[in-house]
Amino acid sequence: KAGVTQTPRYLIKTRGQQVTLSCSPISGHRSVSWYQQTPGQGLQFLFEYFSETQRNKGNFPGRFSGRQFSNSRSEMNVSTLELGDSALYLCASSLSGQGGKTQYFGPGTRLLVL
Amino acid sequence: AQSVSQHNHHVILSEAASLELGCNYSYGGTVNLFWYVQYPGQHLQLLLKYFSGDPLVKGIKGFEAEFIKSKFSFNLRKPSVQWSDTAEYFCAVLNSGGGADGLTFGKGTHLIIQP
Repeated sequence: KAGVTQTPRYLIKTRGQQVTLSCSPISGHRSVSWYQQTPGQGLQFLFEYFSETQRNKGNFPGRFSGRQFSNSRSEMNVSTLELGDSALYLCASSLSGQGGKTQYFGPGTRLLVL
Repeated sequence: AQSVSQHNHHVILSEAASLELGCNYSYGGTVNLFWYVQYPGQHLQLLLKYFSGDPLVKGIKGFEAEFIKSKFSFNLRKPSVQWSDTAEYFCAVLNSGGGADGLTFGKGTHLIIQP
């Protein structure tokens, strides 16, 4: 079974631009979560989608948004990019959105904001 | 809010040495516990997990972890490390009640195994 895939793998943007990242979960997984990884803050939870609905949200500004499609694929959007948004963005999928289910991570999208 | 502490940010060991990485969490309710590993150039991989039952759980590559509820701890152990265990190790906690904050991760422990 194929793992979680994320596209693109690398991205360079300038301040003020917006960016969209994509995530395809493991086949059969309906929950997709997004995380931001930086050297300073470590891994931080952004949000989780299940059945096309945002179920949970971390402590990030409204510039960070996402959506999930009927095939469980998910996209994450960051508007008005800031230098501090440079990070590795990780997507994880699990069988359901309920607590207690194991999350499997993709390789991430490395975003550099100049 | 849940918080996770990993006591050692950098650990250097020689091959065949025993390993124990500490992990403590703050929330006292029902939790699900995980250890993930990130090898150089690779993505996060699940090492092992604890949901319920036997507090001593075994994972891949000879790793094990013990859940001690009274100490809010979930320490990772391996009796004899190998050079290939060089990686970043992350402890993570999911509140069983729905995980409103998603997985909460520790800051990670960078483990270097010297041949």
